[in-house]
Amino acid sequence: KNQVEQSPQSLIILEGKNCTLQCNYTVSPFSNLRWYKQDTGRGPVSLTIMTFSENTKSNGRYTATLDADTKQSSLHITASQLSDSASYICVVTSQGGSEKLVFGKGTKLTVNP
Amino acid sequence: DGGITQSPKYLFRKEGQNVTLSCEQNLNHDAMYWYRQDPGQGLRLIYYSQIVNDFQKGDIAEGYSVSREKKESFPLTVTSAQKNPTAFYLCASKNSGFHQPQHFGDGTRLSIL
Repeated sequence: KNQVEQSPQSLIILEGKNCTLQCNYTVSPFSNLRWYKQDTGRGPVSLTIMTFSENTKSNGRYTATLDADTKQSSLHITASQLSDSASYICVVTSQGGSEKLVFGKGTKLTVNP
Repeated sequence: DGGITQSPKYLFRKEGQNVTLSCEQNLNHDAMYWYRQDPGQGLRLIYYSQIVNDFQKGDIAEGYSVSREKKESFPLTVTSAQKNPTAFYLCASKNSGFHQPQHFGDGTRLSIL
């Protein structure tokens, strides 16, 4: 069964600290993995995309990693800001006969001053 | 500015009533999607459309209907047959081609009166 599991479910950190969010998946055949940021009451916005051959990709203070062998990804946030408070959703795309997206439940990050 | 506009932001439904959620995009994307988001759950696909005048059921289509008469518009009707309609509804669109992200609107929150 295609699944995406994210951990932790929620996380509280102090402003300026770093944090790492985890995503494990069992989606096959794998096409790509994308991290989205969703502010409360808003739609998700894409942060990064990882394809099979990519190990690391950065977008400002966000760095995503992918280990296709263990089917794990992480999103590292450096020097957190209050505006980083949001839910972070891991989405894995399966490319079989048609494209299929499998969504994780998200990690809710709260950055406190 | 190009984007996806969902309206209304908040919607209330009475018992036995059908309601329609609007989704308009000016990104010239062929594919459009409707998702439902419930607390603590990943996004679930209701309906999608790859091209005008064609649409397909997603994982939870029962109690919902859609139309795709124009490329820019993909309205979702929540019918009285949907017994648990309270949720956050997200519309998305996507350009054709590999590894293209889905662009999301800012959602409609539907509640029961």
